[in-house]
Amino acid sequence: DAGVIQSPRHEVTEMGQEVTLRCKPISGHDYLFWYRQTMMRGLELLIYFNNNVPIDDSGMPEDRFSAKMPNASFSTLKIQPSEPRDSAVYFCASSFSSAGEAFFGQGTRLTVV
Amino acid sequence: GIQVEQSPPDLILQEGANSTLRCNFSDSVNNLQWFHQNPWGQLINLFYIPSGTKQNGRLSATTVATERYSLLYISSSQTTDSGVYFCAVNDYKLSFGAGTTVTVRA
Repeated sequence: DAGVIQSPRHEVTEMGQEVTLRCKPISGHDYLFWYRQTMMRGLELLIYFNNNVPIDDSGMPEDRFSAKMPNASFSTLKIQPSEPRDSAVYFCASSFSSAGEAFFGQGTRLTVV
Repeated sequence: GIQVEQSPPDLILQEGANSTLRCNFSDSVNNLQWFHQNPWGQLINLFYIPSGTKQNGRLSATTVATERYSLLYISSSQTTDSGVYFCAVNDYKLSFGAGTTVTVRA
């Protein structure tokens, strides 16, 4: 397996624009996680899915953020409208079970100017 | 949620030195992982170690779940070991510590 695949690797956008980040989990993994990494807050969980269903979205910062998982092999994280404070590295991870080993994608570095 | 504390926050090593990184957590966990974030930002899996001891080359890890801590040992450090080492624990979600930044000097 190629591992968790995220796209794009880098995204630069203007404030107010919509941003969509994409993730393909490892085949057979039932859990998918979205994390955000910033210098101030470190690595924080935004939302996670089990069998394509959102289980815990308490980490989503506000209504501008939304995440979907239409099927077992694809998830999106959308920010609309984007703001400069959303600038961060966004990671997607997947695991076979809730307590199983999690594997991370290479991340998307988002810069909102 | 579970609190995860890593120490020390920063570590500077001379190439060839050994070191120990510590991770303390506040409650029972189902899973504990160690990651290395390299200078390019990638999170590399080092160990999946809910309990016991594992070794992988120059790295080894020990988790004592009953005492709520885990240790990561780096032996004969190399410049490629530089980066940030994260401990992450799982109750129903993976919660990360703040990391230990390791700098290995040639």
